[in-house]
Amino acid sequence: AQSVTQPDIHITVSEGASLELRCNYSYGATPYLFWYVQSPGQGLQLLLKYFSGDTLVQGIKGFEAEFKRSQSSFNLRKPSVHWSDAAEYFCAVGALNTGNQFYFGTGTSLTVIP
Amino acid sequence: GAVVSQHPSWVICKSGTSVKIECRSLDFQATTMFWYRQFPKQSLMLMATSNEGSKATYEQGVEKDKFLINHASLTLSTLTVTSAHPEDSSFYICSAPPGRQGAITEAFFGQGTRLTVV
Repeated sequence: AQSVTQPDIHITVSEGASLELRCNYSYGATPYLFWYVQSPGQGLQLLLKYFSGDTLVQGIKGFEAEFKRSQSSFNLRKPSVHWSDAAEYFCAVGALNTGNQFYFGTGTSLTVIP
Repeated sequence: GAVVSQHPSWVICKSGTSVKIECRSLDFQATTMFWYRQFPKQSLMLMATSNEGSKATYEQGVEKDKFLINHASLTLSTLTVTSAHPEDSSFYICSAPPGRQGAITEAFFGQGTRLTVV
């Protein structure tokens, strides 16, 4: 069965520090992987996605993620965090064989301190 | 990217009344739309898959008679919470993947609807 695990419920980083949010998935075929960000009371905004090809993908707002098949991971990174990055981050797997259904991780809440 | 509009953004209703939430794809056609529910500090849980011109498919544990879904056109799906109770208070989000089924691209999400039942 498909599943997504985000081990870190909450992360706090200082502004300007680097960031890595972890995501592990379980999927029986080639995964389609996504990272979304959600600000309080808002919908989800796509940060980046991986379908195939280069395993290091670049997204918006300076984010990047690396797909590692051997580790079933798709960790999100940013070299220097800004205060405006404080939000909830969701990793998701898209399931091609169930009509584009998405499976989400439980999310990681990011706090940025000055 | 494509735009999905959800309305209303927030609604407060009395217990026992019904509330309708609309999800529109503004610049593309969506034969399938998804409805999610999100409890505070939790992830999105898929409630149902809305299919244009046919019945919705509900996830296990979701009451189809309580959460009525109608997908009357290629750009509109509605979720009606019938006889709402305080435990139905939640954040409801719809999503629509452009493209044909099986050709996954991504899902575009509405802004969400905060439902509070008093």
